[in-house]
Amino acid sequence: GAGVSQTPSNKVTEKGKYVELRCDPISGHTALYWYRQSLGQGPEFLIYFQGTGAADDSGLPNDRFFAVRPEGSVSTLKIQRTERGDSAVYLCASSPRTGGYNEQFFGPGTRLTVL
Amino acid sequence: AQSVSQHNHHVILSEAASLELGCNYSYGGTVNLFWYVQYPGQHLQLLLKYFSGDPLVKGIKGFEAEFIKSKFSFNLRKPSVQWSDTAEYFCAATNQAGTALIFGKGTTLSVSS
Repeated sequence: GAGVSQTPSNKVTEKGKYVELRCDPISGHTALYWYRQSLGQGPEFLIYFQGTGAADDSGLPNDRFFAVRPEGSVSTLKIQRTERGDSAVYLCASSPRTGGYNEQFFGPGTRLTVL
Repeated sequence: AQSVSQHNHHVILSEAASLELGCNYSYGGTVNLFWYVQYPGQHLQLLLKYFSGDPLVKGIKGFEAEFIKSKFSFNLRKPSVQWSDTAEYFCAATNQAGTALIFGKGTTLSVSS
């Protein structure tokens, strides 16, 4: 079946611009996660959705970052006033159930480059 | 803060050599542990996971990992690597709230044929 998909695969923007990154989780998956992976690092947690609500947004670095999941499926990560330090691969993952013991299925990521 | 450490940044092996990649996590209590792999050009996928029970966990493609609670370790092993095992390997642990994975920095494995 279809896996987690993310669009766009690559996004180049200029410092100060606004960007939106989209994630389509596996159909029926309740939990959705966003991570950010910088060069040479492992993925770092940003936010976790349980259904439509953000159950844990403690990983968002500052108030320029925001994410929504209005209907409990597709999610959008929004970054305002982008900075060069925001350049990274943004990963989305979904899981069939909530709970830390469940496998997370990862998408291919969106590579964001801020010039 | 909770953390996961991977000891080896880059490992280079010949085919048929044995592999062991180290992973330590920083906190006690109940912990769920994972190894993920990222093959060149592909997305992260699960190799194996430990929740409870037998501390020796077997995963896909002949990989296994051993959970040693007293050492806070979850090392990944494979008796005989193949060229196709060339990839980046990430160890991860669930945070104490159970809401996210904490990843190590990853180990790049290069296997020469």
